[in-house]
Amino acid sequence: GQQLNQSPQSMFIQEGEDVSMNCTSSSIFNTWLWYKQEPGEGPVLLIALYKAGELTSNGRLTAQFGITRKDSFLNISASIPSDVGIYFCAGPPLMEYGNKLVFGAGTILRVKS
Amino acid sequence: SQTIHQWPATLVQPVGSPLSLECTVEGTSNPNLYWYRQAAGRGLQLLFYSVGIGQISSEVPQNLSASRPQDRQFILSSKKLLLSDSGFYLCAWSEVGARAFFGQGTRLTVV
Repeated sequence: GQQLNQSPQSMFIQEGEDVSMNCTSSSIFNTWLWYKQEPGEGPVLLIALYKAGELTSNGRLTAQFGITRKDSFLNISASIPSDVGIYFCAGPPLMEYGNKLVFGAGTILRVKS
Repeated sequence: SQTIHQWPATLVQPVGSPLSLECTVEGTSNPNLYWYRQAAGRGLQLLFYSVGIGQISSEVPQNLSASRPQDRQFILSSKKLLLSDSGFYLCAWSEVGARAFFGQGTRLTVV
C-alpha cells in the first residue's frame, strides 16, 4: 500500500537548536498533515497544508507543501524541552475512498536542556 | 466544538478473552471514523475505517472487527484476544478536508 517515508527516524538536539524533518511519497498528495504525539496520548494536529508550495506557520513551527506534491517538511525553530515527542506526517492518498490517512513512521525528537 | 471520547484508557485482558473498545464523537454529523493501532510508540497502522452507519472497511486481516451502530459511535471488538493484539489503539474522526482528530487512546495489554 501507499507509504510515506519520513526522516530522520530520531533526533537528539540541544535546547535552542532548530529542527528540520521531512516526508516524501512516491505518489501525489493533495493534503499534507503534521501531527505531534506525546507519550500515552493520541496525536495532535499541528499544521494542515492543502496547496502545492504552501508555507504555513504555527508558532515556532513551519511546514511546507512541496511543489512536486510528493513531499513536505516541518521545521521547529529554537527548540524547547516541551517539543519532545513523536512527529508524524500524514496524508490521504489520491483516489482513496473515505479520506483515510496514511502516516509516516514518525520522527522521535529528544531535546537536551 | 467537536470532541472525541475513547475508553477505557488502559486495559489488561487475558489471552482468549473478548474485547470491546468504544469511541464516540460529539459536535459533528456523519464523520468518517477510524481505528488505528500503534505498536512500540511508532507507526500508526490503520485497522478499520467507516464512512457511515453500518459501513466498515477493513485494512488488514486480523483478529479484530469493527462496528458502527450509530452515526457517531465506533466500536472495536474481538471474540478472542491474542498476545499479538497488545498495543495502543487510537480512534479518530475526520470531515471534509482529511484532517483527522484523535482520541486519547487505549493501552491494551494481553497477558
